[in-house]
Amino acid sequence: GESVGLHLPTLSVQEGDNSIINCAYSNSASDYFIWYKQESGKGPQFIIDIRSNMDKRQGQRVTVLLNKTVKHLSLQIAATQPGDSAVYFCAENMGNYGQNFVFGPGTRLSVLP
Amino acid sequence: DGGITQSPKYLFRKEGQNVTLSCEQNLNHDAMYWYRQDPGQGLRLIYYSQIVNDFQKGDIAEGYSVSREKKESFPLTVTSAQKNPTAFYLCASSSRGSNQPQHFGDGTRLSIL
Repeated sequence: GESVGLHLPTLSVQEGDNSIINCAYSNSASDYFIWYKQESGKGPQFIIDIRSNMDKRQGQRVTVLLNKTVKHLSLQIAATQPGDSAVYFCAENMGNYGQNFVFGPGTRLSVLP
Repeated sequence: DGGITQSPKYLFRKEGQNVTLSCEQNLNHDAMYWYRQDPGQGLRLIYYSQIVNDFQKGDIAEGYSVSREKKESFPLTVTSAQKNPTAFYLCASSSRGSNQPQHFGDGTRLSIL
């Protein structure tokens, strides 16, 4: 597979447990955030987004929490499955438009049987 | 199915050679982007285009060139001036306007012969 996630922080969880992946962002003025999932050899896949006027948003098995006070974003995955194994990274939009996204390096999630 | 298609999946470049990476989208998105992904790092913006016949340099444009003659196509040329071209290249697109999620293709891995 592609080595897009070398030397990344790794989170290992048992299948069926909940996963929490964290991201610190840099700009207090950023007002839009996205979580992506990237499997080996593939492009990033949009999971969920959140705007700064919210502190929580839920999707199917995923929840994103935004703490603007400490500039922290987290992704919670409920009942983690083997297919959730991937690199997850956050993106913050520092200036409204697409060219202003800043992407984190990511966290590798490994799901143990 | 709507999506973004990148080709080829693997590409090899010889010394002094220019190579072109293809990116086609059928999502009817106005904006398109090229990113470079290196191991352990976040995506870095090479070039972006908000509309046909217009494009702008990103953070690491040196040694690269693009064109945007059609809405659905945004090819990237890696020129011989790019001295460290080995990377995973990702193309993305989004609707124009503020805070729009970017959707990615499955990338092209470029290596040096």
